[in-house]
Amino acid sequence: NAGVTQTPKFRVLKTGQSMTLLCAQDMNHEYMYWYRQDPGMGLRLIHYSVGEGTTAKGEVPDGYNVSRLKKQNFLLGLESAAPSQTSVYFCASKLAGGDEQFFGPGTRLTVL
Amino acid sequence: GENVEQHPSTLSVQEGDSAVIKCTYSDSASNYFPWYKQELGKRPQLIIDIRSNVGEKKDQRIAVTLNKTAKHFSLHITETQPEDSAVYFCAASLGGGADGLTFGKGTHLIIQP
Repeated sequence: NAGVTQTPKFRVLKTGQSMTLLCAQDMNHEYMYWYRQDPGMGLRLIHYSVGEGTTAKGEVPDGYNVSRLKKQNFLLGLESAAPSQTSVYFCASKLAGGDEQFFGPGTRLTVL
Repeated sequence: GENVEQHPSTLSVQEGDSAVIKCTYSDSASNYFPWYKQELGKRPQLIIDIRSNVGEKKDQRIAVTLNKTAKHFSLHITETQPEDSAVYFCAASLGGGADGLTFGKGTHLIIQP
């Protein structure tokens, strides 16, 4: 039982490049979330999903797209990376009706 | 939307003393208030949480208190130890719902030997 995993762990991009971050969970959770963490800012919600094929915007969605084609996976895409997207990205999941969110180990992204 | 304020941003205490971190929230509909501990380079780890139908919850050296009327909640750590050094985050949400957590900006707790 791996819990929540994220791929990759680290990535360096040049401005304008694109990439996709993968989040996977094996707990059969319905809800999944993407957060970003910047120094001194705490974690902020980017997008979330309540089930396969559904997504919704969070607090800071601009510049990101997401997809949830399978219940266990939640993808975060950057179509044209900008230096302002340099951050640590955390994925989380939880059961529908539950309280606790379970976090992945994070992806450290640097955009030059 | 919800707004969570957290104080202080840095807290230094002597080993064995108590530490208190305070948070306020703005949305009276929020009913779930978790606290996370994050060590450098690691993921946030839930250490304790409380729902709005409870005023206080304790787990060994850690306790959380909630004042719904004033919309504030606090984390209390007693008999602090070196391994308590970390960044602590409070958060608020509509528990059980799909909405994500709204986090405070964090408190860097330093335990002085």
